[in-house]
Amino acid sequence: GAVVSQHPSWVICKSGTSVKIECRSLDFQATTMFWYRQFPKQSLMLMATSNEGSKATYEQGVEKDKFLINHASLTLSTLTVTSAHPEDSSFYICSAAGQGAQGYPNEQFFGPGTRLTVL
Amino acid sequence: GESVGLHLPTLSVQEGDNSIINCAYSNSASDYFIWYKQESGKGPQFIIDIRSNMDKRQGQRVTVLLNKTVKHLSLQIAATQPGDSAVYFCASGGNEKLTFGTGTRLTIIP
Repeated sequence: GAVVSQHPSWVICKSGTSVKIECRSLDFQATTMFWYRQFPKQSLMLMATSNEGSKATYEQGVEKDKFLINHASLTLSTLTVTSAHPEDSSFYICSAAGQGAQGYPNEQFFGPGTRLTVL
Repeated sequence: GESVGLHLPTLSVQEGDNSIINCAYSNSASDYFIWYKQESGKGPQFIIDIRSNMDKRQGQRVTVLLNKTVKHLSLQIAATQPGDSAVYFCASGGNEKLTFGTGTRLTIIP
């Protein structure tokens, strides 16, 4: 199998606070994890790509100091939204690719998403 | 940069009928294409994929067609069921990154 989980599934926070979202590959080693953001009625937009043990690669227009990504192990990546503001409210989805997962090489397996609401 | 777009943002289909969802991509270097289904409040769910060396691939009730000449991708769903109601995204990739299309909301009418 290739199961990816996210925690929490939803979170509400006050403006100015930081929020951490976890992404875990449960039954395979995720050498690469991806973080996407999805606004209502829109598509998934890639925010960054992270490889285990190295710095994340951010897409153009994504503030790396605001969206901190850590991929310290082969089964866990975290996204921290620092000093969150209402415009950061969105659906954040991670995906993972790596060894031991069924499918094509580099096939991405998606988590269930985390709904962030910033008041 | 690459863009992947859909021709129709919404589609309503009578239950039991077939549906076709279309997608255009711009990067001719893309060699891997995937269709995802996303239900409200959930992550994307893999439906079917196709490599650029193929022009057709069939799954259970679904068929993906790839026309590399015009850079067009389609998803056909046969004998639609209420559970098929969702937003469908195409995505393309040439390396490890995926680019998603804008999405089509499919509604199955009972």
